Amino acid sequence: AQTVTQSQPEMSVQEAETVTLSCTYDTSENNYYLFWYKQPPSRQMILVIRQEAYKQQNATENRFSVNFQKAAKSFSLKISDSQLGDTAMYFCAFIPNRDDKIIFGKGTRLHILP
Amino acid sequence: SQTIHQWPATLVQPVGSPLSLECTVEGTSNPNLYWYRQAAGRGLQLLFYSVGIGQISSEVPQNLSASRPQDRQFILSSKKLLLSDSGFYLCAWSVGGRVAEQYFGPGTRLTVT
Repeated sequence: AQTVTQSQPEMSVQEAETVTLSCTYDTSENNYYLFWYKQPPSRQMILVIRQEAYKQQNATENRFSVNFQKAAKSFSLKISDSQLGDTAMYFCAFIPNRDDKIIFGKGTRLHILP
Repeated sequence: SQTIHQWPATLVQPVGSPLSLECTVEGTSNPNLYWYRQAAGRGLQLLFYSVGIGQISSEVPQNLSASRPQDRQFILSSKKLLLSDSGFYLCAWSVGGRVAEQYFGPGTRLTVT
C-alpha cells in the first residue's frame, strides 16, 4: 500500500528561525510527484511546492525548499526565515505517475512564535 | 487564470435534513474534480472524484453522493444528514488527462445538529 508519513504532529519555532518538516512515503513506483500543502487557520489548502521524482534537483519556492531523497523515500520541507504567516497545518502529499488521486499525510501543525 | 468556488461557506443543518454543496471551477476545461472531508484537526479523507461529466468514483461508502451535471460543476448531496457528517468539506480540481497537483476551494464548514 502507498502511504505518506509525517512523524511530527506539532512543532513550534521562533519567528525568523529555520524549520524543517519531515515526510516519508512508501511506494513501489519509480515515477511520481510529491507536494507540500499549507492549510492556514482559514482552512483553505494552498499548494506550497511540488517535486517530480525524476528530477534530482530539489525544488525551491522563495523561502520554501525541499530535501528530496529518492532512495530513502524522504521529502522534507525547509522553511527559512519563518514568519508569523507561516503558522499553519502542513500536509505532505504524493501521487503516483499513473493515478488521479493524491495520498496525503496526516499533517504537521506548525506554530511560529513571535 | 483558474478559480474554484464553493458554497455555501458555512451551513448548519438538523439531523435528517437534505444537503447540497456546490463547487464550480472557472478557467479550465475537463478538469478532474474531487470532494474531501476533513474532521477538526485531522487529515483529508477523499470522498468522491470525477474525471468527466457523469463519471463519479466513490471512495468511502456512506450516505453521501456526488454528481457532475456539467463539465465544471461538482455537487455533493445527502438525502438525510447524520451527526457524523459534520466537518469541513473541500472541493478540489486538477488538470484532466494527466498527473497533476490539485487546487482547492475555500471549503464549506458543515455542522449537523
